[in-house]
Amino acid sequence: DAMVIQNPRYQVTQFGKPVTLSCSQTLNHNVMYWYQQKSSQAPKLLFHYYDKDFNNEADTPDNFQSRRPNTSFCFLDIRSPGLGDAAMYLCATSRGRGGGNEQFFGPGTRLTVL
Amino acid sequence: TQLLEQSPQFLSIQEGENLTVYCNSSSVFSSLQWYRQEPGEGPVLLVTVVTGGEVKKLKRLTFQFGDARKDSSLHITAAQTGDTGLYLCLWNQGGKLIFGQGTELSVKP
Repeated sequence: DAMVIQNPRYQVTQFGKPVTLSCSQTLNHNVMYWYQQKSSQAPKLLFHYYDKDFNNEADTPDNFQSRRPNTSFCFLDIRSPGLGDAAMYLCATSRGRGGGNEQFFGPGTRLTVL
Repeated sequence: TQLLEQSPQFLSIQEGENLTVYCNSSSVFSSLQWYRQEPGEGPVLLVTVVTGGEVKKLKRLTFQFGDARKDSSLHITAAQTGDTGLYLCLWNQGGKLIFGQGTELSVKP
């Protein structure tokens, strides 16, 4: 089945220790998104790639970076995690960026910062 | 400033009750999407509404899009415990994605 896969599902890191979260898709979609979601809140968009074109949200901290080496994979790098970065991180894909495009979400990676 | 107001934020009801969730804006939506997110999973699309005045049904769920395309509602009839989750409206403003605050629904047996 075509899908969005996130690894790992649970990640524990230490304060200040860099961490990388992984997302892959078999949908061959052009757009890949990274969201941060805290408990009982809506997902907050961090950035997205349209093909190789990187689009950062204005309020995304510099501590968060992303790489998309090919169509299928996208990575979220947190350079120096703080306690406030503990959250669920969701990857999503869509065929295009227009309003009618469905977002396909992965199951998320829950990040704990000790 | 929240461009997309979703209410209520929390809802706890008994199985069999009806409920309505609202999503409003002062701007006109080109289209609006509703997603449901179950605990520990990513959101899943329920419906996309595009035309003002549109009504779409998905089993016990009824979605309405306001005539002026500034508001939308989700009505659940005879809620079941399986309806528990976070309901999200999403406005895609030409590639700028704006979520409502979410409605955390708990349906108790």
